[in-house]
Amino acid sequence: ELKVEQNPLFLSMQEGKNYTIYCNYSTTSDRLYWYRQDPGKSLESLFVLLSNGAVKQEGRLMASLDTKARLSTLHITAAVHDLSATYFCAVDIMDSNYQLIWGAGTKLIIKP
Amino acid sequence: DAGVIQSPRHEVTEMGQEVTLRCKPISGHNSLFWYRQTMMRGLELLIYFNNNVPIDDSGMPEDRFSAKMPNASFSTLKIQPSEPRDSAVYFCASRPASSGNTIYFGEGSWLTVV
Repeated sequence: ELKVEQNPLFLSMQEGKNYTIYCNYSTTSDRLYWYRQDPGKSLESLFVLLSNGAVKQEGRLMASLDTKARLSTLHITAAVHDLSATYFCAVDIMDSNYQLIWGAGTKLIIKP
Repeated sequence: DAGVIQSPRHEVTEMGQEVTLRCKPISGHNSLFWYRQTMMRGLELLIYFNNNVPIDDSGMPEDRFSAKMPNASFSTLKIQPSEPRDSAVYFCASRPASSGNTIYFGEGSWLTVV
């Protein structure tokens, strides 16, 4: 069964702290995507990781991909309240260009 | 680029009524997706089209749901008759042909069936 598992599913943290969200997947894939969703809003693309060892950074967020371990991480550095959102990872099915398999999402709350 | 455009943004309807949701994908994108999102079930893929052809509709909950894509710039998702359990946010999304491209989501249609 094709599965994408995120953990934790819920994370409450203080501003200024560092933390990592994990995304494990069961299918062979070298394409992984991270999205952000604010409450009541749509999903916004954050990162596209297209190869083993890929690392992307934007501000306080950094995403990496290890295709051998079938693991991606989203690292938050010195969290700020504005990063509070739900973060989703999704994986391309290798035999299809059309469909992504989604994780359940990680709801991140950053307290001032 | 205007992005993926959905309408209506919000709809409240009575049980039994027909609901039609509309989507205009980003020009040049050849894959189109309809997703449903609820607190209980999260994000679910209902159906996706490639070059206007439905590829996989296994996520469509039941026969009350139907989707069409008559041309590359327009798609509809219809629910007939609607039920309260259909209340959700329905997202349309599109994607370019090349692999490794992200999916772009519309703002969503917030449906409430009372």
